[in-house]
Amino acid sequence: EAAVTQSPRNKVAVTGGKVTLSCNQTNNHNNMYWYRQDTGHGLRLIHYSYGAGSTEKGDIPDGYKASRPSQENFSLILELATPSQTSVYFCASGDARGEQYFGPGTRLTVL
Amino acid sequence: AQKVIQVWSTASRQEGEELTLDCSYETSQVLYHLFWYKHLLSGEMVFLIRQMSSSTAKERSGRYSVVFQKSLKSISLVISALQPDDSGKYFCALWEPRDYGGSGNKLIFGTGTLLSVKP
Repeated sequence: EAAVTQSPRNKVAVTGGKVTLSCNQTNNHNNMYWYRQDTGHGLRLIHYSYGAGSTEKGDIPDGYKASRPSQENFSLILELATPSQTSVYFCASGDARGEQYFGPGTRLTVL
Repeated sequence: AQKVIQVWSTASRQEGEELTLDCSYETSQVLYHLFWYKHLLSGEMVFLIRQMSSSTAKERSGRYSVVFQKSLKSISLVISALQPDDSGKYFCALWEPRDYGGSGNKLIFGTGTLLSVKP
């Protein structure tokens, strides 16, 4: 049974629209992360969280917000989506030894 | 500047062969971890193996092993007896726990190497 799930798996949005990507983990990890993966860049950290109620900016936070309402849930919010945000987004939860467990990814297309 | 460098963006091998994927990294930390992940063609990201900077053991997990050259800041992933299912994108990642006072983790990923294994 998958420990990190993401929804939706695929999303098509229009420029200027609001997009919310959801992530749920059953690993009981304090740390959760949102990455985007683009060709030539590997995975880049957008936002992360140390626990419920906390969110921190990663390396490329501009244009994104995050919300961690509970230990299990971590959302990534694009208030005004732009075509440059077309990408594959990964959520992960992490243990104290550095290992991260990834969700299946969400493919977002912004037209 | 890129902290984790994977020089080869693609690689191709025949089934049964052995492959070494190279990764170099930059860090000023004494304690750090290195990871290899595989991005499956299905989209799933899978943890393969970890190397701790403090360990001299040759890490191995099934057909995966690493060659860790700490003085050179290099870590290679060796995959033996390649199978077509090994096809996918392989990422090297660096974890520097002191970035966040040790209370959190941040993985820094390389750009990945896309492997194709032909039957």
